[in-house]
Amino acid sequence: GDSVTQMEGPVTLSEEAFLTINCTYTATGYPSLFWYVQYPGEGLQLLLKATKADDKGSNKGFEATYRKETTSFHLEKGSVQVSDSAVYFCALSDSGGGADGLTFGKGTHLIIQP
Amino acid sequence: DARVTQTPRDKVTEMGQEVTMRCQPILGHNTVFWYRQTMMQGLELLAYFRNRAPLDDSGMPKDRFSAEMPDATLATLKIQPSEPRDSAVYFCASGRGQGRDGYTFGSGTRLTVV
Repeated sequence: GDSVTQMEGPVTLSEEAFLTINCTYTATGYPSLFWYVQYPGEGLQLLLKATKADDKGSNKGFEATYRKETTSFHLEKGSVQVSDSAVYFCALSDSGGGADGLTFGKGTHLIIQP
Repeated sequence: DARVTQTPRDKVTEMGQEVTMRCQPILGHNTVFWYRQTMMQGLELLAYFRNRAPLDDSGMPKDRFSAEMPDATLATLKIQPSEPRDSAVYFCASGRGQGRDGYTFGSGTRLTVV
């Protein structure tokens, strides 16, 4: 079946540091890939997405590129802020695999220190 | 922005009591999901509907959980009887079709069963 693997947290960085959160996937079909962010006490918000190979999703300074050859979708940001502290989930949607819904990674807790 | 609305936001109940959680999906979205989030298991898909028809509820303990969609503007998740192990945050999400553009999540219902 489909699966998503992302780096375990917590990841602790200083403000203005460069961020990378790794995400790799396995899928039966040709999935769409997503990053969701969850702030404390809130639901998941779609951060960015990519629907085909080599697409780059971007939002709020975050970027991720759909790499089919390495089955990866790593999240990056050049300069993080304290307000970026949250849990980040990598996910895929693989309707071609016969299943609806999103398959999530376990989440990476990001802590940004001033 | 259009939102998925969930009620109640928080619910504390005694073991054995019935709990009903409600979700109003975004107008025009024809696919509705119920997820459960716990520290131990992460995000688990419980059930989902397309065009109000239940497509998969294999993630739910069927002896106590039931999910319905009485009309296009309301989805419900019921637990009867509730148990302490049901304590979790329950999220509803909605979207169009098979999710290639992702899904929008509600803010969740935090359930505590004592």
